[in-house]
Amino acid sequence: SYELTQPPSVSVSPGQTARITCSGDVLPKKYAYWYQQKSGQAPVLVIYEDTKRPSGIPERFSGSSSGTVATLTISGAQVEDEADYYCYSTDSSANHRVFGGGTKLTVL
Amino acid sequence: QVQLVQSGAELREPGASVKVSCKASGYTLDIFGTSWVRQAPGQGLEWMGWISDYNYKTTYSQKFQGRVTMTADTSTNTAYLELRSLTFDDTAVYYCARDLSHSWEFRHLDYWGQGSLITVAS
Repeated sequence: SYELTQPPSVSVSPGQTARITCSGDVLPKKYAYWYQQKSGQAPVLVIYEDTKRPSGIPERFSGSSSGTVATLTISGAQVEDEADYYCYSTDSSANHRVFGGGTKLTVL
Repeated sequence: QVQLVQSGAELREPGASVKVSCKASGYTLDIFGTSWVRQAPGQGLEWMGWISDYNYKTTYSQKFQGRVTMTADTSTNTAYLELRSLTFDDTAVYYCARDLSHSWEFRHLDYWGQGSLITVAS
């Protein structure tokens, strides 16, 4: 079955840039989406279609994709950005979706 | 406004079944499909499957094939997830989410329910 691979954890100081990667063989052909999940809450979409930011999401959140790697970048990370981040995409058939294993972002 | 309201927490014994409901408002289930995602304690998100818009076609993760059924009741605009032959490993929070995909196009999940905790214990 198809898998997306993320680093388990990323740590930055406030104001620094955090980058979270997501690797998958089909990412050159299918979009990646990124979700933020804070403790005890439902996930929130922060990036869609590789690079687009939903309304209400701060400009410091951006996305990019190159080859088999999609990247979520938080420029000038804030303490309130501490959360788990998941990438989400689909296999080549576009029927079976998958989440990455998640990355715990620590900002301190 | 769009809202997804799920049924409450449930306790089941191993081998039993559970049915979780997800009532949608602000749109209808013939326009947008529903995906189900679960999260075991301390673990990541796991996609279980989806039921599509207009023709209500279901696609299940291979992991759950054979013991999961997803349905939609258009009269009450409510989606349902039934999971059978429960084991301790099925203890998790189960989320429904509005799925913007269509049969010809993969897209994302935008609105999520609040989650339903299903506990499997003897």
